[in-house]
Amino acid sequence: DAKTTQPPSMDCAEGRAANLPCNHSTISGNEYVYWYRQIHSQGPQYIIHGLKNNETNEMASLIITEDRKSSTLILPHATLRDTAVYYCIAHLSGGNTPLVFGKGTRLSVIA
Amino acid sequence: DTGVSQDPRHKITKRGQNVTFRCDPISEHNRLYWYRQTLGQGPEFLTYFQNEAQLEKSRLLSDRFSAERPKGSFSTLEIQRTEQGDSAMYLCASSLGFMEGSKNYGYTFGSGTRLTVV
Repeated sequence: DAKTTQPPSMDCAEGRAANLPCNHSTISGNEYVYWYRQIHSQGPQYIIHGLKNNETNEMASLIITEDRKSSTLILPHATLRDTAVYYCIAHLSGGNTPLVFGKGTRLSVIA
Repeated sequence: DTGVSQDPRHKITKRGQNVTFRCDPISEHNRLYWYRQTLGQGPEFLTYFQNEAQLEKSRLLSDRFSAERPKGSFSTLEIQRTEQGDSAMYLCASSLGFMEGSKNYGYTFGSGTRLTVV
């Protein structure tokens, strides 16, 4: 899987949009961009994934640049419960290599 | 089916003892993964199964670690002769092993077993 680079930490005011960046300049054409988050003392939770097109679900939006070298996870209205570590992973879906986690971005939502 | 279950949630053991953790995956998921997580780090992959076959075990940390999934359903992770450095959160996850269009939701993780070796 391609390596990803994320800032170690970010702050966001409650109610504002949280924009979490991720660089994956060596991503291959068939690797998806996955986002997971991990709230303290819990296992990671799937958020969203995409290949080329922007994606949106009930949790977040994923914006992938046209060259696929970077992406942004957007939490449109951050709440205190969104405080977590967010992991961006480039991964071949369904392939034989497991998800490889980096250190992620620690997002702190501040009241 | 309410998700991936792990048992126990917490385990305190004395150095040198053996411990075994259990993971019950989502029933329709054919892949099962074990990860270890230490403080401040992301989860570290250990091993995974497709049905009952262990497809990758080279990342198990030492020969003291072993995992089984005898009938392709639940799995166990055993650590023999525990050491203080084994203290960590042990996470289990399951997934479908194929892409089903936009319905592939990646891995579902359990809440983990926190091991403390004293």
